Amino acid sequence: DSGVTQTPKHLITATGQRVTLRCSPRSGDLSVYWYQQSLDQGLQFLIQYYNGEERAKGNILERFSAQQFPDLHSELNLSSLELGDSALYFCASSEQLAQGEQFFGPGTRLTVL
Amino acid sequence: ELKVEQNPLFLSMQEGKNYTIYCNYSTTSDRLYWYRQDPGKSLESLFVLLSNGAVKQEGRLMASLDTKARLSTLHITAAVHDLSATYFCAGRDSGYALNFGKGTSLLVTP
Repeated sequence: DSGVTQTPKHLITATGQRVTLRCSPRSGDLSVYWYQQSLDQGLQFLIQYYNGEERAKGNILERFSAQQFPDLHSELNLSSLELGDSALYFCASSEQLAQGEQFFGPGTRLTVL
Repeated sequence: ELKVEQNPLFLSMQEGKNYTIYCNYSTTSDRLYWYRQDPGKSLESLFVLLSNGAVKQEGRLMASLDTKARLSTLHITAAVHDLSATYFCAGRDSGYALNFGKGTSLLVTP
């Protein structure tokens, strides 16, 4: 157990819908990262937050957005869902911006029907 | 943009044999990571390699880093079934996000 928690574990929804994925980092970790894992694209970095501020963006679609709250938990919002958005979404956290390794949560498996 | 390539992508090996997974990366990365993933599960951190010539070992796995060649290797010694999993290497770009290779699916057979 990495100490990173993610909810829900599974999510099944329909095209065009909107969902929110939640992540709580390890105690004391200030940095949160979101990754998407799919058969087509592999593991891709989406977005990073550090202490409430967005620090880096990867291959994140405009339909996707995220935020990190004052208690450091983070939410990833996915809207106008398409079949191709079906994937495993991981959150990872690290203690500082530059130091340390990233610890991954259990992931949320999103299925869009 | 940092690109990471692993080979092989699929590896079937017999128990007791040795093998090496290779990870090449395209531009400077200040560290190199190895992760293990079991089917449907999360990524488990195996090694973080910080400097040229770094070598780390845990059980039957040993990882090394050659920053001049932009190459990391994960060596498996005397494989056992429990090592069957997908192994990812990842470099870290200037923004601190991880760039992953496609992963090596390892199957260890009796």
